[in-house]
Amino acid sequence: GQNIDQPTEMTATEGAIVQINCTYQTSGFNGLFWYQQHAGEAPTFLSYNVLDGLEEKGRFSSFLSRSKGYSYLLLKELQMKDSASYLCAVLDSNYQLIWGAGTKLIIKP
Amino acid sequence: GAVVSQHPSWVICKSGTSVKIECRSLDFQATTMFWYRQFPKQSLMLMATSNEGSKATYEQGVEKDKFLINHASLTLSTLTVTSAHPEDSSFYICSATEDAGGPHEQYFGPGTRLTVT
Repeated sequence: GQNIDQPTEMTATEGAIVQINCTYQTSGFNGLFWYQQHAGEAPTFLSYNVLDGLEEKGRFSSFLSRSKGYSYLLLKELQMKDSASYLCAVLDSNYQLIWGAGTKLIIKP
Repeated sequence: GAVVSQHPSWVICKSGTSVKIECRSLDFQATTMFWYRQFPKQSLMLMATSNEGSKATYEQGVEKDKFLINHASLTLSTLTVTSAHPEDSSFYICSATEDAGGPHEQYFGPGTRLTVT
C-alpha cells in the first residue's frame, strides 16, 4: 500500500528553526509537495521537489532523498503566523497525489 | 495568477436536501479538477478527479450517485451533494491543474464548509 508518514504535532519557539520530516512509500514517484494549511482554510503551495537535494525559498527550505523515501521541510526564523498544519504529498506513478495526515506546528512566544 | 474560487464559502442545509458547490479557475484553463473532503483535524481525502468533458473518476468508497460531479467547461466544475445527511457535514475543497497528469502544482480553492442539520 501507499503510505506517507509525518509527525502529528510539533512545538517550536518564535525565532527558532524547526524541521518537519516526511517519509513515504508509494507506487512510483513523480515529485513531493509541501503545503501549508491554516485552520479553516485551504492548503497553499510551499514547495515541490523531484530531484535529490535542498531547495531554498526564503525562510522555508525543502529537502528530498529519493533513495531513502524521505523529505523534510525546514522553517527558519519562525513567526507566530507560521502556526499551521504542514502537509506532505507525493505524486505517484499515476500522477495522483497521496497525502500525509499533516503536522500541526505550534509556535510559542 | 492561478486563482481558484469556490462558491458558496459556507452553507447550512436541512437533511434530505441537495447542495451544489461550484469551483472555478479564474485565470487559467483547468484541464483537471479535484474534489477533496476534510473532516476536523484530519488530512485531505480525495473524493474524485474530473477532466473537462468526461465523467469523473471516484475514489474507492465515495458514492458517485450521492456526490455528483460535473466538469462542463475548462473553468468550471460542480459538486452536488444529493440527499445530504448530517454525516456529510465537512469542509469540501476543490483544486485544479492546468495540464492533465504531469507533476503540476494543484491550485486550491478556499473551500466550502457544509453543515447539514
